[in-house]
Amino acid sequence: DAGVIQSPRHEVTEMGQEVTLRCKPISGHDYLFWYRQTMMRGLELLIYFNNNVPIDDSGMPEDRFSAKMPNASFSTLKIQPSEPRDSAVYFCASRAGWAAYEQYFGPGTRLTVT
Amino acid sequence: LAKTTQPISMDSYEGQEVNITCSHNNIATNDYITWYQQFPSQGPRFIIQGYKTKVTNEVASLFIPADRKSSTLSLPRVSLSDTAVYYCLVADDKIIFGKGTRLHILP
Repeated sequence: DAGVIQSPRHEVTEMGQEVTLRCKPISGHDYLFWYRQTMMRGLELLIYFNNNVPIDDSGMPEDRFSAKMPNASFSTLKIQPSEPRDSAVYFCASRAGWAAYEQYFGPGTRLTVT
Repeated sequence: LAKTTQPISMDSYEGQEVNITCSHNNIATNDYITWYQQFPSQGPRFIIQGYKTKVTNEVASLFIPADRKSSTLSLPRVSLSDTAVYYCLVADDKIIFGKGTRLHILP
């Protein structure tokens, strides 16, 4: 298996633009997580899905952020409009089941908003 | 939601054994203790998980006392490549990462 795949790996955009981050989880994993990492705040859980259904989005910072999982093999995290404070590394992770505490992380997307 | 407390940073030398202790006073009966490792520019990677006593794998050992209010990750004979951030988590329905322990191995 190729592991969790994220794209793009790097994204530079101007304030006010829409940004879409993409994730392909490991096949067969029914949990998908989106995290954001900054030096100041560490690794923050934004939202997670179970069987393509959003379970907890309490970590989503504000309405500018939205996430979808239209099928078991694809998820997106969208920021519209983007702001400089959104600059961070965004990780996607997947997990095989409730009792499987081991999560597999993707390589991350480094977002820079100027 | 159980909270974990671990040192912000640690330094050690190559060839030494490193022990990182994590406190989780409010751990629930059903919670497992899990440790992750994160290298720069990479996502966290699962190292080891345990419920009680001792667990050992090819990477590390995990020691958990009977009251389970703390745990210690032990890395035997560290090398420069073990320089990373180590996260202690008490797993429940969603895996929450704290700030972790930044381990710096010196030559």
